[in-house]
Amino acid sequence: GENVEQHPSTLSVQEGDSAVIKCTYSDSASNYFPWYKQELGKGPQLIIDIRSNVGEKKDQRIAVTLNKTAKHFSLHITETQPEDSAVYFCAAYNNAGNMLTFGGGTRLMVKP
Amino acid sequence: DTAVSQTPKYLVTQMGNDKSIKCEQNLGHDTMYWYKQDSKKFLKIMFSYNNKELIINETVPNRFSPKSPDKAHLNLHINSLELGDSAVYFCASSPRRGGRGYTFGSGTRLTVV
Repeated sequence: GENVEQHPSTLSVQEGDSAVIKCTYSDSASNYFPWYKQELGKGPQLIIDIRSNVGEKKDQRIAVTLNKTAKHFSLHITETQPEDSAVYFCAAYNNAGNMLTFGGGTRLMVKP
Repeated sequence: DTAVSQTPKYLVTQMGNDKSIKCEQNLGHDTMYWYKQDSKKFLKIMFSYNNKELIINETVPNRFSPKSPDKAHLNLHINSLELGDSAVYFCASSPRRGGRGYTFGSGTRLTVV
């Protein structure tokens, strides 16, 4: 089955700095890669996603890049704000299993 | 209007008891899931249920059983609760296939004492 690894497990940045979270996946058949943000006491919420036929996608301060050959994808957050503090999960999906496999999560702390 | 709703939000119970968590989605999705999130925040799939087809994760003890009365509901029954079952359980739903539109509920924090 699919295996998704996520690094780092914790990340502390100063407000205004950039944050980068990286993931690798094992199944070359995976074709959809969402990122979720989980705030305290809430369920994961989709923040951005990318399909395997696209290399990069941007939405305001967040962007995701995908290297399908290397089976890497990354989340980039620029100009971080305290409200960006949360746990972030990457995930990989393939049609065979019809389910998302999640990375282990990254706790991002943005210090004011 | 909440898209995926779970009840209860908190559940504290003694070892050995049997309990249920309910989940309902109003998104018209075909597939529903249960995930377990442990104390280290790791999200692990337990079950997926699609049009009466149940896909069981073989690492889940058979004390856990999902029940789906219809496409919009997927409940989780847990028998003979153990201390190690303490976790946050998330229900999720998604459209037929494709991954996009995967939506999570707000979670049920189960504490077994």
